[in-house]
Amino acid sequence: EVQLVESGGGLVQPGGSLRLTCVGSKFTFSNYWMNWVRQAPGQGLEWVATINQDGSGTFYVDSVKGRFAVSRDNANNSLYLQMDSLRVEDTAVYYCATDVFDTWGQGVLVTVSS
Amino acid sequence: QPGLTQPPSMSKGLRQTATLTCTGNSNNVGYQGATWLQQRQGHPPKLLTSRDNNPPSGISERFSASRSGNTVSLTITGLQPEDEADYYCSAWDSGLSAWVFGGGTKLTVL
Repeated sequence: EVQLVESGGGLVQPGGSLRLTCVGSKFTFSNYWMNWVRQAPGQGLEWVATINQDGSGTFYVDSVKGRFAVSRDNANNSLYLQMDSLRVEDTAVYYCATDVFDTWGQGVLVTVSS
Repeated sequence: QPGLTQPPSMSKGLRQTATLTCTGNSNNVGYQGATWLQQRQGHPPKLLTSRDNNPPSGISERFSASRSGNTVSLTITGLQPEDEADYYCSAWDSGLSAWVFGGGTKLTVL
């Protein structure tokens, strides 16, 4: 079964950094664009970032531009989200998902609080 | 960034039919259609229909999607208790080079 597993979430102070990892299995990871999507507590889904197959193209929602960076390591079937200068409003469950959202991870909670 | 427009809530009776709508513009929904996602409480989203309105394998035939201009619709027939969930639409916006989501519709099955 196609699977995505996220890790790296936790509690961080405002201004801090965190790196999320998403590992894919049972599919050819390198063939797919990949996404990060987040969901603040009690709120709807918000797209965060997208990366193309070889990592040469990245796209971000305006609110994270200059603070977050998406990358990938196809040799290890891994997707990353480096989050710097974190704000309270970045608190959310972060999901990784395949290109047209046909497969999702279980999500990882990021809490930004002092 | 602007998103897609969905009604926030809908209530329907058991075994009835629900039609959920999602409205965008010519750069997103009108450009390549939209996907529909279902999210049950405490679970990650699940894809119901792809941008060509076809369901992935394993999705009940009770779910179907259609598009008219800049609006997509998700129809759920024979509502069951397990259909109670939040439903989101999403589309790639060619003008923004970004995915946009609707705010979600909370479907209650009475």
